[in-house]
Amino acid sequence: GNSVTQMEGPVTLSEEAFLTINCTYTATGYPSLFWYVQYPGEGLQLLLKATKADDKGSNKGFEATYRKETTSFHLEKGSVQVSDSAVYFCALNSGNTPLVFGKGTRLSVIA
Amino acid sequence: NAGVTQTPKFQVLKTGQSMTLQCAQDMNHNSMYWYRQDPGMGLRLIYYSASEGTTDKGEVPNGYNVSRLNKREFSLRLESAAPSQTSVYFCATVGLYSTGELFFGEGSRLTVL
Repeated sequence: GNSVTQMEGPVTLSEEAFLTINCTYTATGYPSLFWYVQYPGEGLQLLLKATKADDKGSNKGFEATYRKETTSFHLEKGSVQVSDSAVYFCALNSGNTPLVFGKGTRLSVIA
Repeated sequence: NAGVTQTPKFQVLKTGQSMTLQCAQDMNHNSMYWYRQDPGMGLRLIYYSASEGTTDKGEVPNGYNVSRLNKREFSLRLESAAPSQTSVYFCATVGLYSTGELFFGEGSRLTVL
């Protein structure tokens, strides 16, 4: 079945540090890949997505590239801010199957 | 533009009590989902409804029932609440022609004593 594995947290960084959160997946067919972000006390919201191999999703300074050869979709940001503190979820869907989520990675950015 | 609305936002129950979580969407989406979120477990799918009149079990359906009342509303019922059902519950929707992007409600925090 489909599954997503993302790095365990929590991750603590200083402001302006470089961020990488690893995500790898197992899926049948040709999945679409997503990163969602959850700010404290809120629901999840889409951060970025990629629907085919080699696509790069980007939003708010975050980027992730769909790598079919390594079945990965790692999230990166060049310079994090305190406001980026949140929980980040990698997810995929394939065909008509419901979205499958990773366990989430909590990011804390300190000034 | 409300999007996806869940009620109630907070609820405390005693073991054995019943309750229903309500979800309504104004996005004209066909598919609706109920997830639960627990620390260290990510989001796990409880039930989903691909279209009005259909429902299917997800990963963790035991102890829950659902009703897709119409296109807008999808409710989740706990018939006899257990402490293991203490969690944050999220309703989500997706459009028919989307790439699978889910739109989430703000969540309902349920505590079972």
